[in-house]
Amino acid sequence: GQNIDQPTEMTATEGAIVQINCTYQTSGFNGLFWYQQHAGEAPTFLSYNVLDGLEEKGRFSSFLSRSKGYSYLLLKELQMKDSASYLCAVSGYSTLTFGKGTMLLVSP
Amino acid sequence: GAGVSQSPRYKVAKRGQDVALRCDPISGHVSLFWYQQALGQGPEFLTYFQNEAQLDKSGLPSDRFFAERPEGSVSTLKIQRTQQEDSAVYLCASSLAGGADTQYFGPGTRLTVL
Repeated sequence: GQNIDQPTEMTATEGAIVQINCTYQTSGFNGLFWYQQHAGEAPTFLSYNVLDGLEEKGRFSSFLSRSKGYSYLLLKELQMKDSASYLCAVSGYSTLTFGKGTMLLVSP
Repeated sequence: GAGVSQSPRYKVAKRGQDVALRCDPISGHVSLFWYQQALGQGPEFLTYFQNEAQLDKSGLPSDRFFAERPEGSVSTLKIQRTQQEDSAVYLCASSLAGGADTQYFGPGTRLTVL
């Protein structure tokens, strides 16, 4: 089976840095994805990690430790438009299993 | 090019009605996925196609749910005799290949069963 945990909500201030954690226990692992989802919209791809370490892409970075079943998404220089739900998803043999999402609220 | 499109965007059905939800994947994408997303939750897997073959339907909640992709492109998710608990957003995603390839999502169909 699959079990993915991430915080329900987080708040942060514009311009700050925030780290969203994700822990997982899965029966198969082919990589970990992060998606961003604004209310009423489709999830959009942010990052993919399959090897341990940090992947950096502009203001967003994602880290993976397979031995610990742990990942985080780091968002720098927060902007108001970053207010959204952030979904951690583990890729099994052919499908994605999602966490419940972390709702991030960025305030001025 | 165009992304994944879904229609209708919103559907209201009376309990007991049948509904059909359509997904147009990105052109050339081999794999197509259906997910169900309840309010405040992450998407939950329903079923997966590779071309026209339905390789995994383990997430379909009951035999009232049926999906097809007869020509390996457009897919339809059908729900028979809808119940209130079927109210959710139904998301479609496609990927170029399969396995751990990145999935690209459509905007979803919001189904409300009264």
